[in-house]
Amino acid sequence: GAVVSQHPSWVICKSGTSVKIECRSLDFQATTMFWYRQFPKQSLMLMATSNEGSKATYEQGVEKDKFLINHASLTLSTLTVTSAHPEDSSFYICSASRGFYNSPLHFGNGTRLTVT
Amino acid sequence: GENVEQHPSTLSVQEGDSAVIKCTYSDSASNYFPWYKQELGKGPQLIIDIRSNVGEKKDQRIAVTLNKTAKHFSLHITETQPEDSAVYFCAASNRGSTLGRLYFGRGTQLTVWP
Repeated sequence: GAVVSQHPSWVICKSGTSVKIECRSLDFQATTMFWYRQFPKQSLMLMATSNEGSKATYEQGVEKDKFLINHASLTLSTLTVTSAHPEDSSFYICSASRGFYNSPLHFGNGTRLTVT
Repeated sequence: GENVEQHPSTLSVQEGDSAVIKCTYSDSASNYFPWYKQELGKGPQLIIDIRSNVGEKKDQRIAVTLNKTAKHFSLHITETQPEDSAVYFCAASNRGSTLGRLYFGRGTQLTVWP
């Protein structure tokens, strides 16, 4: 079964509002989670690395004030898209690993964000 | 940083045939190579992975081969079925004592015709 849960699976919001997406590791503690963005028919683009108890590390070109990441516990990371605009519409996916050398990276089922 | 190239971008096969997807990587420090299957509207699902100390790994109809010298790795699916139709992504990572980030290929849209 799923080991990483993402919520909501889809959301529609109005331009200018903020949206929060949750990512949970279901039966393990994840000190590190990753947030990706995916455009239609394209690969996954890493946005940021979320570290429990510390600030997220953002990839070049990703606005940290627009995409707020909070890794408040070992099983929960949140991504908040602030003051959303239509160009923020995309598929957002989180991933997590148990963190051991042999532990694979598992992905959530993604969140389809549509900004109108 | 790492650069992962994936080919082909689209692949159509008849049910029962084999499908092969190939990837190359640039960073010789990469030591972990997972493959993901992504169905429409869903997140990627890990289907098989291989580490640099292994040359080949099999799991039923799926196999992955790794050539460290040439820096390429391939996914082989035998006896394909319509439900294998999806986008497949290869990835590379340098996993040491910390969790290394994954570098993804551009994906291959596999279509299996009944």
